[in-house]
Amino acid sequence: KQEVTQIPAALSVPEGENLVLNCSFTDSAIYNLQWFRQDPGKGLTSLLLIQSSQREQTSGRLNASLDKSSGRSTLYIAASQPGDSATYLCSSSGKETSGSRLTFGEGTQLTVNP
Amino acid sequence: SQTIHQWPATLVQPVGSPLSLECTVEGTSNPNLYWYRQAAGRGLQLLFYSVGIGQISSEVPQNLSASRPQDRQFILSSKKLLLSDSGFYLCAWSRTFSEQFFGPGTRLTVL
Repeated sequence: KQEVTQIPAALSVPEGENLVLNCSFTDSAIYNLQWFRQDPGKGLTSLLLIQSSQREQTSGRLNASLDKSSGRSTLYIAASQPGDSATYLCSSSGKETSGSRLTFGEGTQLTVNP
Repeated sequence: SQTIHQWPATLVQPVGSPLSLECTVEGTSNPNLYWYRQAAGRGLQLLFYSVGIGQISSEVPQNLSASRPQDRQFILSSKKLLLSDSGFYLCAWSRTFSEQFFGPGTRLTVL
């Protein structure tokens, strides 16, 4: 059974800092890995999707990497802003159900202080 | 572009009452559809998913059921709510092997 772990659970940084959020998964037979952002009381917003054959994806100030062999993914946020404050969730998609089943980590709650 | 709707946005129900939450997707056809629950301190849990009309897969045994009466409509139901059914319910859609997109969620409080 896939397990996804995110470290740290919470992170507080001053504005302008570069930061890294970590995600690890126990079963490397994933189809893809997806990072989401969740604001309080809201749904999830997809940030980046990395297919299992890819190493990284970039969108603006965000860069996500994937290392299947070590069971790890990182989300790098450059030049953080107060508007980046949210909970960031990592999820892996298993091959056993046509990629339909996402397993989520508990999330990292990020606070960027002005 | 595709959009996903959920209603109601919030719901307060007494224990033992029935439940019906609705999710609809616009701008796409034959999507995979999903119901998740997010309980405080417990992360996001997949409850049901559907790859087509009338095709429902249940991930965990529980007090809830799901139905897909139309291609882009997914309904989460219960005949009798329990206190433990409280939580934030999220609907999502995707293409097979592809990115999942989430709705705005329904906050359910069972008293």
